[in-house]
Amino acid sequence: QKEVEQDPGPLSVPEGAIVSLNCTYSNSAFQYFMWYRQYSRKGPELLMYTYSSGNKEDGRFTAQVDKSSKYISLFIRDSQPSDSATYLCAMSALRNAGNMLTFGGGTRLMVKP
Amino acid sequence: DTGVSQDPRHKITKRGQNVTFRCDPISEHNRLYWYRQTLGQGPEFLTYFQNEAQLEKSRLLSDRFSAERPKGSFSTLEIQRTEQGDSAMYLCASSSTDRSGTEAFFGQGTRLTVV
Repeated sequence: QKEVEQDPGPLSVPEGAIVSLNCTYSNSAFQYFMWYRQYSRKGPELLMYTYSSGNKEDGRFTAQVDKSSKYISLFIRDSQPSDSATYLCAMSALRNAGNMLTFGGGTRLMVKP
Repeated sequence: DTGVSQDPRHKITKRGQNVTFRCDPISEHNRLYWYRQTLGQGPEFLTYFQNEAQLEKSRLLSDRFSAERPKGSFSTLEIQRTEQGDSAMYLCASSSTDRSGTEAFFGQGTRLTVV
């Protein structure tokens, strides 16, 4: 069993829909949680970063962390075709530990006009 | 700030050949990471440097792989005697220990195809 599980999708939604992307994890030591967006044949781009439990909002994006359930979510409001990409969750037990990022396998999102 | 730069973007090589990739991190970042990503998977950690010192290597990094960061700026990743299983996207990322948080910024990657 992988440390971080993510439904690979693809998830197909109409433009304007609210999208919910999720990851579950098994390592209770994880405290730092990130969401990356990766377009086809490009490198991952950091979207959201949160520490411990709670919510964080940035424009159309909201990240939620529920450490008690070992479950994190990324919500995208008013989804756009340009949001079509693979979304990777990543997590780490330590601060500023880019060597210790554990990634999920990514969820492919398709937003149809 | 031009971001993390990787070269080449694509490389096709024959099995058994050696290849070398280059990464230029964000200029003020003292940490540099190499990751490997295969199709449909998330990136997996290979190795990292703080300044010029290589501080950690994953068990994924076989003896055929070597990485350097000679002056604490750019880094190279060399794969000797390439095998078809080495075909993947090789990602470089950088971060600064001066920044709060764990943000690692990734480059566009080098896609290696071994034929």
